[in-house]
Amino acid sequence: ETGVTQTPRHLVMGMTNKKSLKCEQHLGHNAMYWYKQSAKKPLELMFVYSLEERVENNSVPSRFSPECPNSSHLFLHLHTLQPEDSALYLCASSQDGLARHEQYFGPGTRLTVT
Amino acid sequence: AQSVAQPEDQVNVAEGNPLTVKCTYSVSGNPYLFWYVQYPNRGLQFLLKYITGDNLVKGSYGFEAEFNKSQTSFHLKKPSALVSDSALYFCAVRVYSNYQLIWGAGTKLIIKP
Repeated sequence: ETGVTQTPRHLVMGMTNKKSLKCEQHLGHNAMYWYKQSAKKPLELMFVYSLEERVENNSVPSRFSPECPNSSHLFLHLHTLQPEDSALYLCASSQDGLARHEQYFGPGTRLTVT
Repeated sequence: AQSVAQPEDQVNVAEGNPLTVKCTYSVSGNPYLFWYVQYPNRGLQFLLKYITGDNLVKGSYGFEAEFNKSQTSFHLKKPSALVSDSALYFCAVRVYSNYQLIWGAGTKLIIKP
């Protein structure tokens, strides 16, 4: 409904698995974001891409690896995760990286690490 | 340090009554302020924003918010609450040239019939 889709919607993975989250935006935006949402905590910005260049990396562990092959697609590659990485992972996009533009969010991927 | 505070974890309002969800912020520089809503098992939806100009901004679903620079507040309001307004509400602030939105922890709004 917002023009941002995420797959899969749910993911259960073991600590030794490798998986990827996918995000696609159909809004013609030039900036894309990955967020982590944990219960009763503010949203945590993980990565920002503007015009396919990574412009923000908020001290995220290397077991999370983003990829932005073009302005419409964003991936989050996951490997050797920890149980505390279980959370809702949200993708968002905005017209560009300027502060005055609102972000449009996908429905999220609910990740459970066992 | 830049921060956003939503002092109430939960707000309970009877249907038809006015509602207010509070937000205060602390940033250096002129803020851009946003409200988002999250329904269960959904991503966040943009409600409204203040960039400049009139301190009272109107947004989706009949919501409005008032920017108060002296009190560094941006409270969300609606004159008459609906049961369907029950959701989690987030306030966020961003400053010019900074990619990062600073988020509040969220306020759960419960509208009772």
